[in-house]
Amino acid sequence: EAGVAQSPRYKIIEKRQSVAFWCNPISGHATLYWYQQILGQGPKLLIQFQNNGVVDDSQLPKDRFSAERLKGVDSTLKIQPAKLEDSAVYLCASSSFATTGYTFGSGTRLTVV
Amino acid sequence: QKEVEQNSGPLSVPEGAIASLNCTYSDRGSQSFFWYRQYSGKSPELIMFIYSNGDKEDGRFTAQLNKASQYVSLLIRDSQPSDSATYLCAVRRSGGGADGLTFGKGTHLIIQP
Repeated sequence: EAGVAQSPRYKIIEKRQSVAFWCNPISGHATLYWYQQILGQGPKLLIQFQNNGVVDDSQLPKDRFSAERLKGVDSTLKIQPAKLEDSAVYLCASSSFATTGYTFGSGTRLTVV
Repeated sequence: QKEVEQNSGPLSVPEGAIASLNCTYSDRGSQSFFWYRQYSGKSPELIMFIYSNGDKEDGRFTAQLNKASQYVSLLIRDSQPSDSATYLCAVRRSGGGADGLTFGKGTHLIIQP
């Protein structure tokens, strides 16, 4: 079974620019999550999708972050405009049965300069 | 504010000894608990999950849960240098369909050869 795919692996942008990350979940997984992991901290949930609907976006900074999941499969997370404090690894995960945990993708490391 | 607390370490353990990692959580409604391992520069990898009070064993790993004390631990027997990593404790948020995980900051474990 193929894992969760993310791209790009690395991205360097200047503050106030925009950036987008892409995630392709494991085939058949209805639930998709985006997490932000700042260096030295644990991952923090940004948004959870069930199929193409948002279940939880309570910790998403909606003034600058947006996310969508078209047709209940791939997802895109966007930041516009980026701030220095957005420098982090953005992790995507998917699950079919969340109570047993889920698998993370390899992540996108964002550096804002 | 739901929190998960871990000692950041580093925790240094001789090879072959038992490594003991601890975690406390604040939300009494938490239902399930997870341990992830994260190597430097890599994404978190699920090691174990536990729902019920008591012990759960999987190979060299034992997870322990005490809901009355709001305490979760992970024991690693016969520690190997390859066990050197950051161990993240995570708690599944309870209520509704939102089931994202709340992570601690992680404990950095070093196994000394």
